[in-house]
Amino acid sequence: GQQLNQSPQSMFIQEGEDVSMNCTSSSIFNTWLWYKQEPGEGPVLLIALYKAGELTSNGRLTAQFGITRKDSFLNISASIPSDVGIYFCAGPLQGSSNTGKLIFGQGTTLQVKP
Amino acid sequence: GAGVSQSPSNKVTEKGKDVELRCDPISGHTALYWYRQSLGQGLEFLIYFQGNSAPDKSGLPSDRFSAERTGGSVSTLTIQRTQQEDSAVYLCASGLGTGGAYSNQPQHFGDGTRLSIL
Repeated sequence: GQQLNQSPQSMFIQEGEDVSMNCTSSSIFNTWLWYKQEPGEGPVLLIALYKAGELTSNGRLTAQFGITRKDSFLNISASIPSDVGIYFCAGPLQGSSNTGKLIFGQGTTLQVKP
Repeated sequence: GAGVSQSPSNKVTEKGKDVELRCDPISGHTALYWYRQSLGQGLEFLIYFQGNSAPDKSGLPSDRFSAERTGGSVSTLTIQRTQQEDSAVYLCASGLGTGGAYSNQPQHFGDGTRLSIL
């Protein structure tokens, strides 16, 4: 079945460093979503991508929809302690264009050292 | 409130007991989803509601799991005869709808119910 493979699984970086994480699939996706989840909370949508090649920014965050439609990456520039959390990529499950149900990657856990 | 509200936030129960988890979606959101998140894992789709009907229940792991939605608003996820492997965070999300003009509308998540089966 469809799977989203996220890497790296975890990152421990120094405050101020840039961060890059990616998500790949063997299947084509028409939408890529990036969520952040903090402890005890639900995922919060950071960036949504709807077209192959699209590059979208949200403050210090930038995400791109891969040309092959089988991958996406998320970059965080000049990390700060509040960037700590788990970052998930997600996309609509096959055949779900009329339901909107999502498949999620396993997440990238980010820790930032002040 | 303005967001998706879930209750209880935490639930501890003994194996074999039934549990009910509640979700109050954002007002006006017709689409509602239940997901399950096991420790250190991503989210796993359980069931989708459009209004009061559930056109997609394909993610429910067994017949011990059921869900209903009334009045196009509140939804309840019920787990009967709970097992230890049911321990997880159960997340609810809502959206404006799907298809047509709503095809790119994002889902908004609640903070989940952390379920622990002893």
